[in-house]
Amino acid sequence: GAVVSQHPSRVICKSGTSVKIECRSLDFQATTMFWYRQFPKQSLMLMATSNEGSKATYEQGVEKDKFLINHASLTLSTLTVTSAHPEDSSFYICSASAGGRGQPQHFGDGTRLSIL
Amino acid sequence: AQSVTQLDSQVPVFEEAPVELRCNYSSSVSVYLFWYVQYPNQGLQLLLKYLSGSTLVESINGFEAEFNKSQTSFHLRKPSVHISDTAEYFCAVSLSGGYQKVTFGTGTKLQVIP
Repeated sequence: GAVVSQHPSRVICKSGTSVKIECRSLDFQATTMFWYRQFPKQSLMLMATSNEGSKATYEQGVEKDKFLINHASLTLSTLTVTSAHPEDSSFYICSASAGGRGQPQHFGDGTRLSIL
Repeated sequence: AQSVTQLDSQVPVFEEAPVELRCNYSSSVSVYLFWYVQYPNQGLQLLLKYLSGSTLVESINGFEAEFNKSQTSFHLRKPSVHISDTAEYFCAVSLSGGYQKVTFGTGTKLQVIP
């Protein structure tokens, strides 16, 4: 149980392209989804928290217009990296939680984004 | 705000030897504690969690962690490691009140040597 699917697993594209990453909870309803960025050999950096049906809450230093997050349903959240540049290359990971006290976050397998 | 410290960035250990991965946290209020494991190019998988009750929690694959409030620690242990345990391990903490926002440590790479 508690499976989170993230797609695509790898993206390679040219600078200036917008890239959309999907995060789906397959067997539970995710009231909250999280988007993280992980640099090589570093921990996860929380980018934003999104609750279904409302605007995402971004962490300090994360550009809202650069990283567009949509959480339109209880099973799907998307992250769109707009006009991506080489410095946006990273490993992006989503997680989903059913909410409530002590509910752990369940993670997707991540998306390796490479901007040429 | 809460924080997590994993002092060891890498821990090499021989197969079938015991291992301890250290985790210390800082918080002015009560917390939930987690250990996650990450295999190369994958997301994180929950290994075990402490919410309340017994301070010793166990995972299905032989890992255990003990919550020590006085030392603000949540060290992860395994009495005998396998090659397949080679991975990155992240300790994490969240506030126990409303949950949600989780703070991760910097990770410890466990390298099991045959």
